[in-house]
Amino acid sequence: NAGVTQTPKFQVLKTGQSMTLQCAQDMNHEYMSWYRQDPGMGLRLIHYSVGAGITDQGEVPNGYNVSRSTTEDFPLRLLSAAPSQTSVYFCASSYSSGGSYNEQFFGPGTRLTVL
Amino acid sequence: KNEVEQSPQNLTAQEGEFITINCSYSVGISALHWLQQHPGGGIVSLFMLSSGKKKHGRLIATINIQEKHSSLHITASHPRDSAVYICAVRETSGSRLTFGEGTQLTVNP
Repeated sequence: NAGVTQTPKFQVLKTGQSMTLQCAQDMNHEYMSWYRQDPGMGLRLIHYSVGAGITDQGEVPNGYNVSRSTTEDFPLRLLSAAPSQTSVYFCASSYSSGGSYNEQFFGPGTRLTVL
Repeated sequence: KNEVEQSPQNLTAQEGEFITINCSYSVGISALHWLQQHPGGGIVSLFMLSSGKKKHGRLIATINIQEKHSSLHITASHPRDSAVYICAVRETSGSRLTFGEGTQLTVNP
């Protein structure tokens, strides 16, 4: 199993550009999520999905869109990049059993800089 | 006030020392997670617990649900334990995780 994969590892954008951060997992996990990590702050949830076709907003959703057309993929779209979106982005997945979610598996992260 | 508070924020230890990192939370939870983030940035799950105590090698995690408090202990610390340790809770009411800010641990040889 490759686990959770993210591409790209690094990206530099200009203000106003759009792009998509890719996330895929091969563990058949129902739950997938996107976080951003900024210095001095804990990981913050952007969007999450509890299964294909279902997405919901997290703590900091503004400026980002997601979709979940398959169990494996959960791309994060930046609609019009802003310097405030400079951050490290992590995708994570977990499986559920008995109605409870289990340990989270994290991707390696994408370091995004918006100039 | 954060829902999840970790202490200390930074910790420096000598190799071989016993280390404790604390996590307090203010909400009802279904589970608490301890994560490790190495200098390269990758995040791995160490423990997920909802009661009692778990042990894996030199790492021990405990939780007291009544006091809303968890501790991560490292016995016989080693320089390779140097990392950021992150506490996260899953609230009873939902599926989302809320994270603490992390504890930066440095173990010197």
